Amino acid sequence: AQSVSQHNHHVILSEAASLELGCNYSYGGTVNLFWYVQYPGQHLQLLLKYFSGDPLVKGIKGFEAEFIKSKFSFNLRKPSVQWSDTAEYFCAVKNTGGGNKLTFGTGTQLKVEL
Amino acid sequence: GAVVSQHPSWVICKSGTSVKIECRSLDFQATTMFWYRQFPKQSLMLMATSNEGSKATYEQGVEKDKFLINHASLTLSTLTVTSAHPEDSSFYICSATLTGESGEQYFGPGTRLTVT
Repeated sequence: AQSVSQHNHHVILSEAASLELGCNYSYGGTVNLFWYVQYPGQHLQLLLKYFSGDPLVKGIKGFEAEFIKSKFSFNLRKPSVQWSDTAEYFCAVKNTGGGNKLTFGTGTQLKVEL
Repeated sequence: GAVVSQHPSWVICKSGTSVKIECRSLDFQATTMFWYRQFPKQSLMLMATSNEGSKATYEQGVEKDKFLINHASLTLSTLTVTSAHPEDSSFYICSATLTGESGEQYFGPGTRLTVT
């Protein structure tokens, strides 16, 4: 069974700091990769996704992620965070042979301080 | 576009009663809907995959007789928690995929269930 690890459970940053959230998965086959964000009191929203092609994926709100196949990683980055980025971030993986089922990581709570 | 709604947003029920939660895709047709459970400060755990017109596929460890799922149309799936107990208290979230599109799921806002 595949699993997804997010090593940072809580991250606190000051505005304008750079962000990198780690995501590693365990599955040897072809995968699709996602980052979702959940703002306080709101539903999950898709930040970005990787299916194939350029391993550096750009998403909404200035976020990007890089798929490194050899490291089974899909880390999320943002050069300069804003207070409004305070939210919970979830990495998710779908193996292409397993229907549309997503396996989620445990999430990273990001707090951006003014 | 691609909006998913859930009703109710929160519900309190007594132990032993049943509760029905609705998940609707408002502006698209969804052949597949998913039901997740999220415990406080934890990740989403997939409970079942619901396909329109067929029986739901439950994940290992999820009691299908306790969590009844009905996907009656391309825009509606329901989750009924039967004979609810306090340990069923949780946040239930549904998602839907666009017909013909693979991978991306659109999530509902969730339903907070509290069983007293």
